[in-house]
Amino acid sequence: DADVTQTPRNRITKTGKRIMLECSQTKGHDRMYWYRQDPGLGLRLIYYSFDVKDINKGEISDGYSVSRQAQAKFSLSLESAIPNQTALYFCATSDPGLPTGELFFGEGSRLTVL
Amino acid sequence: AQSVTQLDSHVSVSEGTPVLLRCNYSSSYSPSLFWYVQHPNKGLQLLLKYTSAATLVKGINGFEAEFKKSETSFHLTKPSAHMSDAAEYFCVVSRSGSARQLTFGSGTQLTVLP
Repeated sequence: DADVTQTPRNRITKTGKRIMLECSQTKGHDRMYWYRQDPGLGLRLIYYSFDVKDINKGEISDGYSVSRQAQAKFSLSLESAIPNQTALYFCATSDPGLPTGELFFGEGSRLTVL
Repeated sequence: AQSVTQLDSHVSVSEGTPVLLRCNYSSSYSPSLFWYVQHPNKGLQLLLKYTSAATLVKGINGFEAEFKKSETSFHLTKPSAHMSDAAEYFCVVSRSGSARQLTFGSGTQLTVLP
């Protein structure tokens, strides 16, 4: 089984719908992240959490919210999806003992908003 | 402030020939630098990292990169390409201790021709 698991892997939805992407990890890491990947733009940070009680906005948090339900679970929500939120979303984890930037990624959740 | 530029969006090589993927960065402090690889429908995987130790860094699958401060470069190389190297590669610059200051390049798609 993968160390970082994302569900669903693919989702097609309509404008205005609420969507939740879930991430769970078995690496025992305290730090978790949500990134968005768009072609030609690399990855951009949406939110990150350093522990269950810690939530921080990233570079592009508008239109998104997150919930850290447990050390191992970090969910991303789109309250009212819009077409320009069509993208590939990645969850990642890290350990504070490793260099900042050394991340462990899930396999991604491809979201299409019609 | 920091930024990273991957100089080629696409690189094609023949199997068995050398690979060179170019990355330049700018940073107002001593950065950490990383290369990640993304195979189709997979998450990103760390190839190698530079964190202020040896300037020539060896990674997995025969890849290596050299940190050149004077040229602000961190190019990725491999002596002999294999078909399984076909993937997208991301150069990443980070500032130690700051999850927000992790900047991804726009990616280089590597094609390996038989």
